[in-house]
Amino acid sequence: DIVMTQSPDSLAVSLGERATINCKSSQSVLYNSNDKNYLAWYQQKPGQPPKLLIYWASTRESGVPDRFSGSGSGTDFTLTISSLQAEDVAVYYCQQYYNTPPTFGQGTKLEIK
Amino acid sequence: EVQLVESGGGLVQPGGSLRLSCAASGFTFSSNAMSWVRQAPGKGLEWVSAISDSGGSTYYADSVKGRFTMSRDNSKKTLYLQMNSLRAEDTALYYCATGGVIYATYWGQGTLVTVSS
Repeated sequence: DIVMTQSPDSLAVSLGERATINCKSSQSVLYNSNDKNYLAWYQQKPGQPPKLLIYWASTRESGVPDRFSGSGSGTDFTLTISSLQAEDVAVYYCQQYYNTPPTFGQGTKLEIK
Repeated sequence: EVQLVESGGGLVQPGGSLRLSCAASGFTFSSNAMSWVRQAPGKGLEWVSAISDSGGSTYYADSVKGRFTMSRDNSKKTLYLQMNSLRAEDTALYYCATGGVIYATYWGQGTLVTVSS
């Protein structure tokens, strides 16, 4: 199975500042034939199911604010929130879907400083 | 509006069985692969199983293979997870989600399974 490792485990950022969460896969999730990275990001707020934010590493899901962006390729990926809002407090997960089983990172808890 | 509503969770003794259901609405159920993802209390997400749109193919995590069976009834727009030989480590909130073995676009609210004597 592909192991997904996120860093940091927790993060405190001031309102309006940039938040950056990293995700590393144990093997490449870039499929060369279509040049797509099989990597998604989710946001989970307390008491709620996860919400899809980003897929194909950088494609924003419909309705997701443009302050959320995804980048990276191969084995190293980043979720960036350009200007942190109070409603962004949540746990964030990366997920690879290059191989079955799909696997998630351990999560990064984002708080307000 | 897409809705996924899970049911069937509860308290069960180790070695027991439960059948979870997920009622879908607001999208073309029969055209979508589906999955179950679980979350142990206070822990992260774990993909459990997936099924193709027709139901002809199923996939399982090693942790549940041979004990859990996923199925679907496209005429009823309902997804199922038959869970046998339950263990304490199966205690979790079980979500159904669209997408199968790829990214999950829509999620239900989950149903809680507690395995304890």
